[in-house]
Amino acid sequence: QQPVQSPQAVILREGEDAVINCSSSKALYSVHWYRQKHGEAPVFLMILLKGGEQKGHDKISASFNEKKQQSSLYLTASQLSYSGTYFCGTEEQGGSEKLVFGKGTKLTVNP
Amino acid sequence: DSGVTQTPKHLITATGQRVTLRCSPRSGDLSVYWYQQSLDQGLQFLIQYYNGEERAKGNILERFSAQQFPDLHSELNLSSLELGDSALYFCASSDFSPANYGYTFGSGTRLTVV
Repeated sequence: QQPVQSPQAVILREGEDAVINCSSSKALYSVHWYRQKHGEAPVFLMILLKGGEQKGHDKISASFNEKKQQSSLYLTASQLSYSGTYFCGTEEQGGSEKLVFGKGTKLTVNP
Repeated sequence: DSGVTQTPKHLITATGQRVTLRCSPRSGDLSVYWYQQSLDQGLQFLIQYYNGEERAKGNILERFSAQQFPDLHSELNLSSLELGDSALYFCASSDFSPANYGYTFGSGTRLTVV
């Protein structure tokens, strides 16, 4: 079951904040976040595990609400380099470690 | 360089043909995953192998098949190609240890069916 991401697209000015949401109808074991720049491979940002703590590095952080099977990615004080498409990938409880990805959120950061 | 190697980078072939895409996982990673990315479908999971064994299957067509060899490299075979098979095909690997870094993706193979 593909997770649902929102919004589909976001346009920011440098320095602004953004939140990207990911929700699933399945009980999840983990949520991954990836960023893909045009023509490149997706790059791993972070993983949130069931029962784990909120993760973050630099100005990008994420949370996982196990009761709602929802995750949010927070980008604060956005930089031009944050532009790209963000995907969440969800791993179901009792699954085989395979990730099912959402359709992505296209983030554009303008000067 | 992510450590996951995919070849070839680009492939142009005619409808009805068969192609093989190759993936060498990051050193030490036992799991290999194949994904298809087209503009309107995002990253679609095709198949997963773990240490040579098929572990999970997604929306993989019967015309497609894959295997993982003893040296852990994997091949994705696409046959009776159709125009709609044109897409970016990514391979990813992982070890899923407690200190894991998620999936590492290769740079992909862009397949164009004409």
